[in-house]
Amino acid sequence: GAVVSQHPSRVICKSGTSVKIECRSLDFQATTMFWYRQFPKQSLMLMATSNEGSKATYEQGVEKDKFLINHASLTLSTLTVTSAHPEDSSFYICSGRRQGSGETQYFGPGTRLLVL
Amino acid sequence: AQTVTQSQPEMSVQEAETVTLSCTYDTSESDYYLFWYKQPPSRQMILVIRQEAYKQQNATENRFSVNFQKAAKSFSLKISDSQLGDAAMYFCASYNAGKSTFGDGTTLTVKP
Repeated sequence: GAVVSQHPSRVICKSGTSVKIECRSLDFQATTMFWYRQFPKQSLMLMATSNEGSKATYEQGVEKDKFLINHASLTLSTLTVTSAHPEDSSFYICSGRRQGSGETQYFGPGTRLLVL
Repeated sequence: AQTVTQSQPEMSVQEAETVTLSCTYDTSESDYYLFWYKQPPSRQMILVIRQEAYKQQNATENRFSVNFQKAAKSFSLKISDSQLGDAAMYFCASYNAGKSTFGDGTTLTVKP
């Protein structure tokens, strides 16, 4: 149990376009979802935390108008990279926290974004 | 603010041998959780082991065990009988106040 999916797994887009990444908890209700960014060979950097039905809390330095996060249901959160630029190219990972799981996060497989 | 430090960027171990990965953390919270995650080349983060800070007993999961020294804020991971499939990047993480902080990771190579 506790499976998280992400879609798409890989996306290439042109500079200036917007890209939406979906994160779904398949067999549990994720009261909280997290979005991370990871550069090659580096650690995970938390971008934002979202609770179902409320606005996301962004980490310092993360532009909320550029990285739009929606957590409309207990099984779905989306990250939209608006007006993407080459510097937004990265690996984006989401995770969900199941209530009663002792603060354990279950991670999606990640989405590789390449902005040309 | 939480910080997590992994002082070993790279480690290697011979197959079937034992290896220990180091992790220290700093937090002002009294209630927190500690985790070790594995990230293989597929980049899927996999939970290896977790420890509640209020528990004195070290967590174990099959070949994986931790040495949790709360006073020293140390949380090392021991992998026994290392297997080729253990090769990956390992991240230590602490969780409190609603979010996780990750260390920079240790790349583990397993030699056949």
